[in-house]
Amino acid sequence: GAGVSQSPRYKVAKRGQDVALRCDPISGHVSLFWYQQALGQGPEFLTYFQNEAQLDKSGLPSDRFFAERPEGSVSTLKIQRTQQEDSAVYLCASSTRSFRRITDTQYFGPGTRLTVL
Amino acid sequence: GQNIDQPTEMTATEGAIVQINCTYQTSGFNGLFWYQQHAGEAPTFLSYNVLDGLEEKGRFSSFLSRSKGYSYLLLKELQMKDSASYLCAVRDKGANNLFFGTGTRLTVIP
Repeated sequence: GAGVSQSPRYKVAKRGQDVALRCDPISGHVSLFWYQQALGQGPEFLTYFQNEAQLDKSGLPSDRFFAERPEGSVSTLKIQRTQQEDSAVYLCASSTRSFRRITDTQYFGPGTRLTVL
Repeated sequence: GQNIDQPTEMTATEGAIVQINCTYQTSGFNGLFWYQQHAGEAPTFLSYNVLDGLEEKGRFSSFLSRSKGYSYLLLKELQMKDSASYLCAVRDKGANNLFFGTGTRLTVIP
């Protein structure tokens, strides 16, 4: 595709509900990242996939957060039993291959703004 | 761990030059990136530095000094559309993700 797409763009959930956020990376991009961005802050790393393998999930704030990328393309970030502190913009980014190569820039999607009431 | 510091807000005049500074502390440096983010939009890549010195791309330049843990983004011939947040991010050796600062919100005034 032309860029990273995310859906929905906006999600309002009641506290305690489960939500699922979708990311479609740029076609052929091997690496996929999820970040959380609170209002007025920079993005904070959540988790990283290389193809279908979740290689790093050290940034996930609790076991209520779960991410998957079963076929190595589309990814879903799931948040169970949402809390008010989960309100943020969730950004997805992808890059061409292992991001250890300096030239492999991360390209970001527009994000999903989650509001938990 | 990582610690990245940049000013919260800056204001500059259309047509002028502005320099946005970023200082960082990291256990193993492997590149510094600058992104631009308009309100409600995706961060877009501007530049990266891995070696000391100045990288120039049109109206935007980025400088790095690894010994000082310091970078700046220089924007020339400011335009109103340059009003946005500018995010400084570093990558650690051994890590695949980026560590971002809080961002500098730049307002360009006529």
